Parts: sequence; C-alpha cells; structure tokens
Amino acid sequence: AQSVTQLDSQVPVFEEAPVELRCNYSSSVSVYLFWYVQYPNQGLQLLLKYLSGSTLVKGINGFEAEFNKSQTSFHLRKPSVHISDTAEYFCAVTSGANNLFFGTGTRLTVIP
Amino acid sequence: SQTIHQWPATLVQPVGSPLSLECTVEGTSNPNLYWYRQAAGRGLQLLFYSVGIGQISSEVPQNLSASRPQDRQFILSSKKLLLSDSGFYLCAWNPREGTAKYFGPGTRLTVT
Repeated sequence: AQSVTQLDSQVPVFEEAPVELRCNYSSSVSVYLFWYVQYPNQGLQLLLKYLSGSTLVKGINGFEAEFNKSQTSFHLRKPSVHISDTAEYFCAVTSGANNLFFGTGTRLTVIP
Repeated sequence: SQTIHQWPATLVQPVGSPLSLECTVEGTSNPNLYWYRQAAGRGLQLLFYSVGIGQISSEVPQNLSASRPQDRQFILSSKKLLLSDSGFYLCAWNPREGTAKYFGPGTRLTVT
C-alpha cells in the first residue's frame, strides 16, 4: 500500500510571496502523484499530476510540483501567491489501482 | 466535457434515520465511480468504488452501503445513521484508462 505525509498542516504566507507545500510519499512500487485544491465547502479540484516523464510538472493557477524519486517527495510550489490561493491542498498517491491515498491536507492562508 | 453532480449539497439528519446520497456523471461512459468521506480535520477516506453497473467494492466495513443502478449513477445509503457518519461526502470518477480522479461538489452531512 501507499501512504502520503503532508508535514505542514497550516502554512501562512504573505501575498505575492513564494510558497512551498511539502509532500512525501511511501510506496514499494511505482506511483502516480497528484495535488488537489479544496476551497471551503467545495469538492476537490485537480491542480496537477505526475504520471511519467519530466519530473517538473506544471498545473493550473500557476502551481508546479517536482517529483523527486530519491527523496520520495512531490512538493508543490508557486512563485507568487494571491489571496485567491487561500484553500486546503491535498497531496495524493496511487499505484494505478482503484484507491487513491490522500495526505491530511495543508491549509494555505494568504495574508494581505 | 464531463461533469459530476451530487445532491443534496447539505443534509441534517437525526441519528437512526436512513440516508440516500446521489451522484451522477455526464459526458462519459463506463466510468469508475467512487465515494469518499472527509471527516473534519482529516484527509479523505475511500468508502466504496465501482467499475460497472451492480459492481461495488467496499474499502471500509461500516453501516453504509453503495449501489450503482445505472452506468453513470452512484448512490450511497444507510439504513440507520450514526453520529460518526457526519462528514463531507465526495463522489469521484475517472475514465477506465485514466488514473486522475475528478471530484463532485460534495454533500455536507450532519447527524444530530
């Protein structure tokens, strides 16, 4: 089975500052990795995904993530955040089977 | 394009009452369908998934059940709700050949 650890439960950052949300995973097999964003009382929206190929993945809303196999990490980054980026962010991993294992989430709060 | 609907958006039910949450997907055929639950301050837990009409797999034994009466319809039910059933219920789908899951808007269930 796979598992995901999001070390930071809350990340406050000033508007226009860069941000990195950390994600580490555990798996004995090859994995696919995802980042989702959840705004209050809404479903999850796919930000980006790593399936294969280039380890730097670009997603929507200016976010990107880098897959690092040796460090089993998939950190999410944005060079300059906006107020509208305030939300909960979830990292997820799957081996391709039906289950998708989620981290416990990181609440990003952008401070004006 | 594909869209996924869930209803109701919010629900308040007393302990011991029955439950029926519905999810439908439009714009695709033969999707894999999923029910997740998100408890307050926690990640997402897979409850059920279905790879076809009438085919249901349960990930967590509990007093909930799921059914798939039509290709693009997925229903979550309970005969008698418990307080611990409160949470945010999310339906998701992915194409048969895909790995990324796409989520519905969710149903906020409060059991009183």
